[in-house]
Amino acid sequence: DAGVTQSPTHLIKTRGQQVTLRCSPKSGHDTVSWYQQALGQGPQFIFQYYEEEERQRGNFPDRFSGHQFPNYSSELNVNALLLGDSALYLCASSLAVAGGLSEQFFGPGTRLTVL
Amino acid sequence: GQQVMQIPQYQHVQEGEDFTTYCNSSTTLSNIQWYKQRPGGHPVFLIQLVKSGEVKKQKRLTFQFGEAKKNSSLHITATQATDVGTYFCALRGSTLGRLYFGRGTQLTVWP
Repeated sequence: DAGVTQSPTHLIKTRGQQVTLRCSPKSGHDTVSWYQQALGQGPQFIFQYYEEEERQRGNFPDRFSGHQFPNYSSELNVNALLLGDSALYLCASSLAVAGGLSEQFFGPGTRLTVL
Repeated sequence: GQQVMQIPQYQHVQEGEDFTTYCNSSTTLSNIQWYKQRPGGHPVFLIQLVKSGEVKKQKRLTFQFGEAKKNSSLHITATQATDVGTYFCALRGSTLGRLYFGRGTQLTVWP
């Protein structure tokens, strides 16, 4: 049983470019959350997808968008990249249960460097 | 937004010494979770505390939730090289499960 997988592992882009990151949740999970972790900081919540819809969003600009597919996998898109977007992007998967979510499992992350 | 403050930011200990990290909030917390992130790795869930005064143990790790549910601590007894990493506390907000992370305590263990 594969855990949460993310691709690519590393990515280098230049300012102004666009990037797409991918996440496949743990088998049996239906909810995907995305986090941004800058160097030396804790992860910051970007948004969460459930049933192919964004149902909660953190304090991130509209340049950050996402999508969830029928197989529960998800993409994170960032447009007009800024230097400050350089970070580790983490995907966390969980299962929606009565009263909330099951434990969240994090993927290995995608390290994005913007030059 | 909800915030949890974590101290210290860095801790260097000699192998065999104890280690403690603290997580504080100005408001009452419904729960607190603890994660460990190894260097170059991703956060791994350790435990969740929900009850006032709760104490849970995992081998050499002891987790506590304050009586007022405004603070929590993680204590490691007799640290080992395998304990190296950053320890985060996180509040799980609302029923949608979004996590609010502290800044983390980076633990270095010297031989």
